[in-house]
Formats: sequence, C-alpha cells, structure tokens
Amino acid sequence: NAGVTQTPKFQVLKTGQSMTLQCAQDMNHEYMSWYRQDPGMGLRLIHYSVGAGITDQGEVPNGYNVSRSTTEDFPLRLLSAAPSQTSVYFCASSLDGVSSYNEQFFGPGTRLTVL
Amino acid sequence: AQTVTQSQPEMSVQEAETVTLSCTYDTSESDYYLFWYKQPPSRQMILVIRQEAYKQQNATENRFSVNFQKAAKSFSLKISDSQLGDAAMYFCAYHPNTGANSKLTFGKGITLSVRP
Repeated sequence: NAGVTQTPKFQVLKTGQSMTLQCAQDMNHEYMSWYRQDPGMGLRLIHYSVGAGITDQGEVPNGYNVSRSTTEDFPLRLLSAAPSQTSVYFCASSLDGVSSYNEQFFGPGTRLTVL
Repeated sequence: AQTVTQSQPEMSVQEAETVTLSCTYDTSESDYYLFWYKQPPSRQMILVIRQEAYKQQNATENRFSVNFQKAAKSFSLKISDSQLGDAAMYFCAYHPNTGANSKLTFGKGITLSVRP
C-alpha cells in the first residue's frame, strides 16, 4: 500500500490563481480530511469527509472547496489564492469516523506559497 | 468547543536523559481519545502514542509513556533514554468519541531538541 499520497510536494502561486491539491489513499478508508499547518498554530482542520459524496466544513474552511466523488480521492481546491493561504497542507485518512476512533494516517504534506 | 493547550513552545534534553512534554485539554465529553504525534524535519506526521479516556492505565510504547490525569485534564508525554532521532515537533491532539462528525483537535506543538 502507498498509504496517503499528496501532490504536489511544493507549489508557488500568484495571488488570484487557482489550483487543486491532490490527495489519494489506497487503504479503503471512509474518513478523509484536510489540515493546514502554520507556525505557532498547530494543525487546523479545513474540510473533512465521512464517505464518498459527503463533505463538511472544519475550523478554517473559507477560501477552500472540496468534493469526494470516490472513496480514494479527496482534492482540495483554492479558487482564488491569497497570501494568507501560504501554509503546509496535510491530507489524512482513517478507516471511519463513526465507530470507535481509528488512527488517522497523514500524507507527506504540500508546502504552498502564495505571492 | 474543545481546546488543546501546549504551553511550552520549546524544550531541550540531553541525550539518554528523560524529558516530559506537557499538554492540557478542555472538554465536556467523558468519552474521548488523546494522542501524541511526532513531526520530524521530514514533515511526516507520526503517531507516537494513544490513550483512551475510559482506560485508567497509562499507555506506554517502548521509551514513550503518558501520564493521563482525567480529572485534571492533563496528558503529558514522557520520553525516556532520549535519542538524537527524538528531536522533532510534538503535537498533542484530542478526539471525542461522538460519532461521524467528531474531529481531531491539535495543540500548537512543542519543538524538542536533543543535545548530544
């Protein structure tokens, strides 16, 4: 198993550009989520999904869109990038978010810089 | 809302010594999980140890152990026989056992350095 994969690893955008951060997992996990990590802030939840076709907002959803058309993929879209979205982004997955908690597996992260 | 507090931004320990990282949390739930994650310079998030709130016994994983004080809402991580590879950022995290919409909440992290 490849686990949780994220592409790209690094990205530089100009203000106003759009892009999609890709996340995929091959563990047949139902629960997937996106976090951003900023210095001194820890990891903050952006959006999450409990299964294909179901998504919900986390703590800091503004400026980001998600969709979950398959169990494997959970892309994060920035429609109009802003310098405040400069951060490291992590995707994570776990078996499910319904029954007793299962360990979340994290991807390697994407470092995004918005100029 | 649940909060997780790591009040020490940085700590340092001598190789082979023991160090304790502090974490407190606030919740009205009685059933939840607590975690310590390690993030080395590679950025990869690695689960170090996990504690279920309903278990009175403190979790241990080799050189890593926790001191879980449920009444005080305290969850500290003890690293024994510290090694150079333990140098990393450590995050405390909380997850309520309340169903599909429950979320993982992280503290701000602590940077641990290990002196040779």
